[in-house]
Amino acid sequence: DAGVIQSPRHEVTEMGQEVTLRCKPISGHNSLFWYRQTMMRGLELLIYFNNNVPIDDSGMPEDRFSAKMPNASFSTLKIQPSEPRDSAVYFCASSFWESYEQYFGPGTRLTVT
Amino acid sequence: DQQVKQNSPSLSVQEGRISILNCDYTNSMFDYFLWYKKYPAEGPTFLISISSIKDKNEDGRFTVFLNKSAKHLSLHIVPSQPGDSAVYFCAATGSGGGADGLTFGKGTHLIIQP
Repeated sequence: DAGVIQSPRHEVTEMGQEVTLRCKPISGHNSLFWYRQTMMRGLELLIYFNNNVPIDDSGMPEDRFSAKMPNASFSTLKIQPSEPRDSAVYFCASSFWESYEQYFGPGTRLTVT
Repeated sequence: DQQVKQNSPSLSVQEGRISILNCDYTNSMFDYFLWYKKYPAEGPTFLISISSIKDKNEDGRFTVFLNKSAKHLSLHIVPSQPGDSAVYFCAATGSGGGADGLTFGKGTHLIIQP
C-alpha cells in the first residue's frame, strides 16, 4: 500500500519566489496535517484538515503561508513570497479522524537562498 | 514555551542493553502520548502510544511508562539492537479526539553501540 506521498522531495528556490508543496494522503484517511521541522523549533504543527476542511491554522507562521485541500486525495502548502527563514523540512501526515496515529510522508526539504 | 520536552539530545547505549528515553510535558490537557522513530531522510514512523488512563503499555521490545502526577513518560527498549539507532520523538495530544495535531518534543538521537 502506498503511504503518504509528498512532492517534490527537495526544493531550492530564491528569496521572493513562490513555492508549492504537494501531498497525497493515504487513501481513506480523512485527516491531514502539515508540519515543519527546523533545528531551532523542532517539529511543529502548521495546519490540519478534517474531511478537507481546515480546522486549526494557528500554527501557520505568517500570511505568506497558505494551505488548501480541494479534495480528499490532495493538499498543497504554498509560500508566497518565500524567505530564507522558511528553509526547513516540511512533512505531511494523514490519519483516520478517530485515530491518534498519524502517518507521515518522507518530507520536502526546502532551501530558500 | 515548550510543552513537550526531551532533555537529552542524544543517548548512547550498548547493543543488548536497555535504552531509556525520557519525556516531560507541561500541558495538563494532554491525554494521549505517542513515540515516533525517525531515520535520516525519512518521515517519522509511529512506534507506540499510551492513553492517560494507563500507566504502562508494552509492545514487544518497547514499553512506554506514564507518570501523570510527574507529567513524565519514558520509552524503554529491551534489548537494544543496532537498527534502533534513530531519532526518537515524544508527542502529545489533547482530548479533542483522534484528529488533533500532535505537539512534539525536539527528539533524542539514540545510538546503539556494537
